[in-house]
Amino acid sequence: QVQLQQWGAGLLKPSETLSLTCAVYGGSFSGYYWSWIRQPPGKGLEWIGEINHSGSTNYNPSLKSRVTISVDTSKNQFSLKLSSVTAADTAVYYCARTYRVVVTAQDWFDPWGQGTLVTVSS
Amino acid sequence: DIQMTQSPSSLSASVGDRVTITCRASQSISSYLNWYQQKPGKAPKLLIYAASSLQSGVPSRFSGSGSGTDFTLTISSLQPEDFATYYCQQSYSTPVTFGQGTRLEIK
Repeated sequence: QVQLQQWGAGLLKPSETLSLTCAVYGGSFSGYYWSWIRQPPGKGLEWIGEINHSGSTNYNPSLKSRVTISVDTSKNQFSLKLSSVTAADTAVYYCARTYRVVVTAQDWFDPWGQGTLVTVSS
Repeated sequence: DIQMTQSPSSLSASVGDRVTITCRASQSISSYLNWYQQKPGKAPKLLIYAASSLQSGVPSRFSGSGSGTDFTLTISSLQPEDFATYYCQQSYSTPVTFGQGTRLEIK
């Protein structure tokens, strides 16, 4: 059974770079895309972007200029960097597997990591 | 971006009730619609994918239906553990987007 475990700095100052890593345990890493999703306190969910094992990425255009998602296949890990953070980037950040059915192009997020609260404050 | 609108935003119900949550897309998304359940302090959990397919391990009291722009999540008989927030999500086009959530509370 696939499990995702994530970690990273939880308190940042404005203009700093957010950095989180997610490790994948117990299943195939190469057959999937891997996503980052965030949720501001008390609000809804926003997809940030995704990456596959070969490093192919897709980003949300609203964040694309500040986001970099990378992969380390030797460790079954993928990482998120978000530059020039502001208070608006305060959120719980989740990693998740993008389960994609090639034939139908249907996809969904399952499973998810436990979430990391990142607070941006001066 | 495709906008996803859920209704109601919050709902009070009792154990044993039948509950329906609606999700509407701003354009047709065929059956590219997923439902998640989120409890406080926890990550979302996949319930329904491709509009009507029940994720493995999810109780059969949960069901999904719809196609095009209008979708529903139905809980046939509410259990105490079902009180949570529910989100729909479209995967028809990038960026994927979520509804604002429906908070299901105990009456």
